[in-house]
Amino acid sequence: GNSVTQMEGPVTLSEEAFLTINCTYTATGYPSLFWYVQYPGEGLQLLLKATKADDKGSNKGFEATYRKETTSFHLEKGSVQVSDSAVYFCALSDLSNTGKLIFGQGTTLQVKP
Amino acid sequence: EAQVTQNPRYLITVTGKKLTVTCSQNMNHEYMSWYRQDPGLGLRQIYYSMNVEVTDKGDVPEGYKVSRKEKRNFPLILESPSPNQTSLYFCASSPGGGNTEAFFGQGTRLTVV
Repeated sequence: GNSVTQMEGPVTLSEEAFLTINCTYTATGYPSLFWYVQYPGEGLQLLLKATKADDKGSNKGFEATYRKETTSFHLEKGSVQVSDSAVYFCALSDLSNTGKLIFGQGTTLQVKP
Repeated sequence: EAQVTQNPRYLITVTGKKLTVTCSQNMNHEYMSWYRQDPGLGLRQIYYSMNVEVTDKGDVPEGYKVSRKEKRNFPLILESPSPNQTSLYFCASSPGGGNTEAFFGQGTRLTVV
């Protein structure tokens, strides 16, 4: 079945460091791919998405490229800030017409001043 | 403002005492889902609904019920809660059944003692 695997956390970085959070997926068909962010005490917010191969999603300085050949959707940011501290979830859309998203286990990012 | 609203945000209850978590969306979305979030497991779909009076089981439906009598509301019912249902619950809505993003509520942290 479809699945998403994220790198284990927590990830601790200093402010202005470069961020990569790895995400790989297994899927039949051509799902859309998403990154959601969960700030402390809040719900999930969509950070960015890509709907087909080679699409690049971007938002708030974060980027991820839909790589079909490596089945990956790694999240990157060139210079993180303390305010980026959160849990990041990679997800794909299940194409079974249920509205379901399949999530990775989440990666906690802590950015220190 | 487009949003998904869940209540309550926090709930502590005792084993076997029936409870309902409410969810409402104001985006006229057809699809709604309930997820539970557990450490190391990401989010898993409990139940989903494709429209009024149309509901079906997700990946972890045991011990839960739902109803969809109106398009905007999708309550989650625990008839006889048990400690293994202690978790963080999210309601989500989406405009379509596949390849579309989901919009999430703020979450309900449930503790069953």
